[in-house]
Amino acid sequence: ELKVEQNPLFLSMQEGKNYTIYCNYSTTSDRLYWYRQDPGKSLESLFVLLSNGAVKQEGRLMASLDTKARLSTLHITAAVHDLSATYFCAVGYNNNDMRFGAGTRLTVKP
Amino acid sequence: DTGVSQDPRHKITKRGQNVTFRCDPISEHNRLYWYRQTLGQGPEFLTYFQNEAQLEKSRLLSDRFSAERPKGSFSTLEIQRTEQGDSAMYLCASSLGWGMGAFFGQGTRLTVV
Repeated sequence: ELKVEQNPLFLSMQEGKNYTIYCNYSTTSDRLYWYRQDPGKSLESLFVLLSNGAVKQEGRLMASLDTKARLSTLHITAAVHDLSATYFCAVGYNNNDMRFGAGTRLTVKP
Repeated sequence: DTGVSQDPRHKITKRGQNVTFRCDPISEHNRLYWYRQTLGQGPEFLTYFQNEAQLEKSRLLSDRFSAERPKGSFSTLEIQRTEQGDSAMYLCASSLGWGMGAFFGQGTRLTVV
């Protein structure tokens, strides 16, 4: 059974700082997704990574995938308050569905 | 198309009652997923449809849960004889393919009292 582990689970950071969220998974997969969830809202797709070495960037967020290490990272550059949310990684499983990590709750403080 | 819609948004039911939720995916999306999310946790996979075929169902899902997607359009999720442990947010998502991110609905929050 696939296990998806994110760390840290909670992250408090100051505006302007950089940080990385890690997503480890236990079995081979060729798809890795990152989602954002604001409090009381549903999930919003951020990135889809489909190959080893894939890197995608959108604004202050950059995601990468190392399928050999079974690791994806979400790097935050010069954080701003608007980035405060919970970030989930999800791993493609059984060719059909996604299995989610527990999420990283990010708070960006002035 | 306004995205994935779910109905109702909130449902309070007494233990032992049956409930049914509806999901209308984005019209051209052939893949439809149901997930369950409890406070502070990531979404937990329940089941997956490709068009009208239910291709996968979580082994953790008891026989009290059933889902349908007649004609490959909207989907329903029914929970029979609800228990307090069923209280959660039930999320529906749809996508065009596994290489694309899924679009999630706003969810149905179920409270079993």
